[in-house]
Order: sequence, then structure tokens, then C-alpha cells
Amino acid sequence: ELKVEQNPLFLSMQEGKNYTIYCNYSTTSDRLYWYRQDPGKSLESLFVLLSNGAVKQEGRLMASLDTKARLSTLHITAAVHDLSATYFCAVDVANTGNQFYFGTGTSLTVIP
Amino acid sequence: KAGVTQTPRYLIKTRGQQVTLSCSPISGHRSVSWYQQTPGQGLQFLFEYFSETQRNKGNFPGRFSGRQFSNSRSEMNVSTLELGDSALYLCASSLKLGTGRGYTFGSGTRLTVV
Repeated sequence: ELKVEQNPLFLSMQEGKNYTIYCNYSTTSDRLYWYRQDPGKSLESLFVLLSNGAVKQEGRLMASLDTKARLSTLHITAAVHDLSATYFCAVDVANTGNQFYFGTGTSLTVIP
Repeated sequence: KAGVTQTPRYLIKTRGQQVTLSCSPISGHRSVSWYQQTPGQGLQFLFEYFSETQRNKGNFPGRFSGRQFSNSRSEMNVSTLELGDSALYLCASSLKLGTGRGYTFGSGTRLTVV
């Protein structure tokens, strides 16, 4: 059974600090996606990582993908309150008929 | 450019009833997928439609069904509702079949079964 695990599940951090969210998955995949979800809202696409070694950055967020280690990271630099949300990674696995397997989500709270 | 539109936004139903949820994809997008989000199970894939055909189905009972129309709009239906069906149902569209460069998600329909 394919598993996508994120850690930590909950993260409380102070503004200005750095932290990393980890996403591990249990099968081969070259495509990984990060989404953000605000309470009661839908999923907003953050990053699309399509190959080993891919690195994408947008503002204070940077995502990377290591397909050999089956690991993606979402690094937060100098956190601000507006980054408070739940972050999901999702893996797209070939030969499973086009579907996402989502991680458990990381609930991030940035404290002023 | 309009996003993915889901209706209704909120729904309250009684056990045993059935419900139909609607999703209009981004104009030009031909693939529509549905996901269920619950606190306990997280985000789970329901099914994907492309060109009016179901291309893939997740591990849900037959009470969950869907269809796609020629204009790419999609509906999902849940019959004989159970309390456990209470969830946020998210529709996502993409230009082509498959996840490719990712989906655009709608705002979801919050279904509460009482």
C-alpha cells in the first residue's frame, strides 16, 4: 500500500524562524506537488516538482525533491503569520491511473 | 478566468438520503477528479473523468458514483448516505488526462449527514 507521510503533523513556530516540513513516500515517483489549505478553504497549488533534484522557490517557501530518497522538503524561511495554514504534499504514481496520494498534512501556526 | 466552481457550498442531509454535487471545471479543462477530505482519513481520491468517461476510481463503495457531461461539467452522487460520508468534497480540474502539472481545486462542498 502506498504511503505518503509528512512530519511534523503540527508545527508552531515564531515569526522570523526557519523550519522544514518533510514528505516521505513509499514508492517510486518522479512527480510531487505541494498544496496549501487555509481553514475551511480549498487547496492552493504551491509547487510542482517533476524530476529528481528539482528545486522551486516562491517567497519564503522553497521545495525540493529527491526521488532516490523518496523525500521532498518544504523549507520555510523567516516565517510570517500569513504562512499559517495546513500544507499537503501529494505524489502522483505512474500506472495507478492518474490520481494523487496525499500526505497527512502539516498544520503550521506562526506565532507573532 | 473563472476557477473551478462547485455547488452547493454547504449541504445537510439525513442518513439514507442521496445527494448530488456539481463541479464546473476551468474553461478548456477536460479532466475532472473528485476527492473526499475528512479529519480521520485525510484526502482520498474518488474518481477521475475525461471526455465523459470514468478513467479511474478510488477505493470507495458503489454508493459513490459520478458522471461527466459533454461540456466537461461533472456531478457526483452519493446514495444511501451514512454519517461517515460527512466530509468536504473537492473537485479538481486539469487540462489533460492525468495529474501532469497538477490540478486546480474548487472550493469544495461541505456535506454534513445527520
